[in-house]
Amino acid sequence: GQQVQQSPASLVLQEGENAELQCNFSSTATQLQWFYQSPGGSLVSLLSNPSGTKHTGRLTSTTVTKERRSSLHISSSQTTDSGTYLCAIVSGAGNKLTFGIGTRVLVRP
Amino acid sequence: ETAVFQTPNYHVTQVGNEVSFNCKQTLGHDTMYWYKQDSKKLLKIMFSYNNKQLIVNETVPRRFSPQSSDKAHLNLRIKSVEPEDSAVYLCASSATGYEQYFGPGTRLTVL
Repeated sequence: GQQVQQSPASLVLQEGENAELQCNFSSTATQLQWFYQSPGGSLVSLLSNPSGTKHTGRLTSTTVTKERRSSLHISSSQTTDSGTYLCAIVSGAGNKLTFGIGTRVLVRP
Repeated sequence: ETAVFQTPNYHVTQVGNEVSFNCKQTLGHDTMYWYKQDSKKLLKIMFSYNNKQLIVNETVPRRFSPQSSDKAHLNLRIKSVEPEDSAVYLCASSATGYEQYFGPGTRLTVL
């Protein structure tokens, strides 16, 4: 079945540093979303980006569909960015999301 | 602003009991989902409903049953819970083919 691989598994940043998170997937995706999950567990959609480049605030996502990869760039990290970043794709029928295991980010002050 | 609501936030119960979780979305979406996030934090789809019709039913034990009264509501019932059912259950909705929005989750602990 569809697989989503994320790297790195975890990341420690000093506040103000930039970070790039990677997502690779095993088959063509019709939809790709990046999510943020807070330490408390709530899941927030950050970007929907099945192809190309999208920006929101300090986040930039670039998806290269034919290479089956997406990246999420966090610029000027803040302590409130700490949490888990999840990549998820939709492929095939049913519109169901398949998630990666996530990248755990810790931003130190 | 929360638009996908789940109740309860937490539930602790004993093996063999029945539990029921509720989900409501106010986004006017056609499709709703239940996902399970286990202790390893991996999120997996369980069910998907489109306009009250079941369209995705992953391989989950038969003690799990979704229930939809209308396209804005999708509940999840678990008959005779097992210890491995301890997890966070997340409800989501989407306009079909578009991005999904998640509720805050229900944390189930089975003793």
